[in-house]
Amino acid sequence: RKEVEQDPGPFNVPEGATVAFNCTYSNSASQSFFWYRQDCRKEPKLLMSVYSSGNEDGRFTAQLNRASQYISLLIRDSKLSDSATYLCVVNMAGSARQLTFGSGTQLTVLP
Amino acid sequence: NAGVTQTPKFQVLKTGQSMTLQCAQDMNHNSMYWYRQDPGMGLRLIYYSASEGTTDKGEVPNGYNVSRLNKREFSLRLESAAPSQTSVYFCASSGPGNSYGYTFGSGTRLTVV
Repeated sequence: RKEVEQDPGPFNVPEGATVAFNCTYSNSASQSFFWYRQDCRKEPKLLMSVYSSGNEDGRFTAQLNRASQYISLLIRDSKLSDSATYLCVVNMAGSARQLTFGSGTQLTVLP
Repeated sequence: NAGVTQTPKFQVLKTGQSMTLQCAQDMNHNSMYWYRQDPGMGLRLIYYSASEGTTDKGEVPNGYNVSRLNKREFSLRLESAAPSQTSVYFCASSGPGNSYGYTFGSGTRLTVV
């Protein structure tokens, strides 16, 4: 089993749609959680951290369920510019600040 | 503010050749990392350096060596390149506490023929 698992997609949604991505992680003692965005042939960039209480940044909402070892990202009112691959990222317990990356979920927002 | 700078951006090597990928950060971060990214595999950690003067193996260290030259610079060396090392290589750095995750360089696209 992969340490961080994501549905690879692709997700093709119309502009203005709401889309949700899910991610599961294997280590119940994991401590930090992030969503990164990666555009085609570019480096990953931090989209947002994920906090236990859930957090929102504009059109983006992240949720964490420690009991189910599950992380989600919700994008509302999708824009063409949201088209990218979204990486679920976890700092595994005891890994000295090493981050473990999921393989990513590809999103294409269609006009 | 340049962030993390990687060189070169592209490289083609013949099997058996050696090369060094350079990485420098100007954010005064303690920790630096080298990852490789292959289709369908996600990012995999090759080596990391938690602080100046220390280096440790990650998930896929075989065939690579690293040097943490100073706080700013962390290089990755391929001593004898193999086609299996064809990949995109990313350097990253992180500051104290890692609250904000990593900052990545723009990557090096390496092809070994």
